[in-house]
This record gives sequence, C-alpha cells and structure tokens, in this order.
Amino acid sequence: AQTVTQSQPEMSVQEAETVTLSCTYDTSESDYYLFWYKQPPSRQMILVIRQEAYKQQNATENRFSVNFQKAAKSFSLKISDSQLGDAAMYFCAYRGNQFYFGTGTSLTVIP
Amino acid sequence: GAGVSQTPSNKVTEKGKYVELRCDPISGHTALYWYRQSLGQGPEFLIYFQGTGAADDSGLPNDRFFAVRPEGSVSTLKIQRTERGDSAVYLCASSLRDRGPTDTQYFGPGTRLTVL
Repeated sequence: AQTVTQSQPEMSVQEAETVTLSCTYDTSESDYYLFWYKQPPSRQMILVIRQEAYKQQNATENRFSVNFQKAAKSFSLKISDSQLGDAAMYFCAYRGNQFYFGTGTSLTVIP
Repeated sequence: GAGVSQTPSNKVTEKGKYVELRCDPISGHTALYWYRQSLGQGPEFLIYFQGTGAADDSGLPNDRFFAVRPEGSVSTLKIQRTERGDSAVYLCASSLRDRGPTDTQYFGPGTRLTVL
C-alpha cells in the first residue's frame, strides 16, 4: 500500500530564513505525482508545488522548491526567504492510482 | 464561480440523523473528489468521480456513506444514521481531468460536520 510520511509534526523558521520540510513515501507504482499543499487556518488547501515522477528536474515555484529523490522516495520542500504568510500546515501528497496525504507539518514563522 | 465551493460551511446534527453535504466544482472540471479530514490528520480519500460516474469509491468507510454527481457537475455526499465518529471536515476538490498534467486538484473550504 502507498503511504506518505511526514516526520516533522512542527517546524519553525525565522522570517527571511530558509526551512526544509521532509516527506517520504512508499510505492510500487512507477507513474505518479507528488504535491505539497498548504492549509492555513481558513482550512482551504492551496497547492504549493507539484512534481511529476518521470521528471528528474526538481520543480520550483518562486520561493518554493523541492528536492525529489526518486530512488530514496523522498520529496522535501524548501521555503526560501520565509514570510509571515507562509505560516500554515503543510501536507505532502501522493497521487498514483489513488491520492494519499501525509499527516502534515505545522510551520511557524517567527518575526 | 472562480473556485470550488462547499455548503454548508458548518453542519451540526444529532447522532442517527441524515446529512447531505454539497460541492460545486470549478466549471469545466470533469474530476471531483471527496476527502475526510479528522482533527490533526491529513485528508483521507473517500471517493472520486470522472464525469457522472464514481470511478473509485474504495475510500468510503461503510454503506452509510454515499455520493452522487448526477449531471457531472455538482456533487452531494450523503451520510445516513450519522455517528459521533463521522465528525470531521469534509473536503471536496476538482480537477480538469483525472491523471496527467492537468491533474492538479483545487480544494474547497470544506464542511465541518459535528455529530452530537
């Protein structure tokens, strides 16, 4: 069965600094997608970044980038120049034949 | 509308009652997903539709849960004989199609269901 593991329930970062959130997954599928979603207190899940498994190049979206290690089944999210608005729960998600979410990492940004 | 909408935003009901939760996807999105998110957890997949048909309902916990999407747009999640353990936030998401480069799911704000 596919699983997604986020081993950091909570993380904090100083404003303007860089933080990395970890995610590992387990799968026997070869074709899949990986996502990071942000969920602020308003509850609405917002897509941060996505990565197609067949692409070797790491995805980047402005201050957000991933380190995708397919062999290690690792998919970490790096947030550069952290801003107060980045504070939220971050969920790693896997999409193969089904969709699986990790348990989330709560990110606090310290002014 | 511009995004996925869900109604009601909050629903309080009594144990044993029947509830319906509604999801309006983004116009033109053919795939629609329902998830349940318990406190402190990530979303748990329930069911997804491709068009009008349920392409995968393997996440529905039992036969008290049922979902429809009769015209391929709006979807309703129906829960019969509610139990206290059904209390959670129910999230809906839609995507332009299922799988492929346009598989990005856009989520609604969720419906918080409380069963007393």
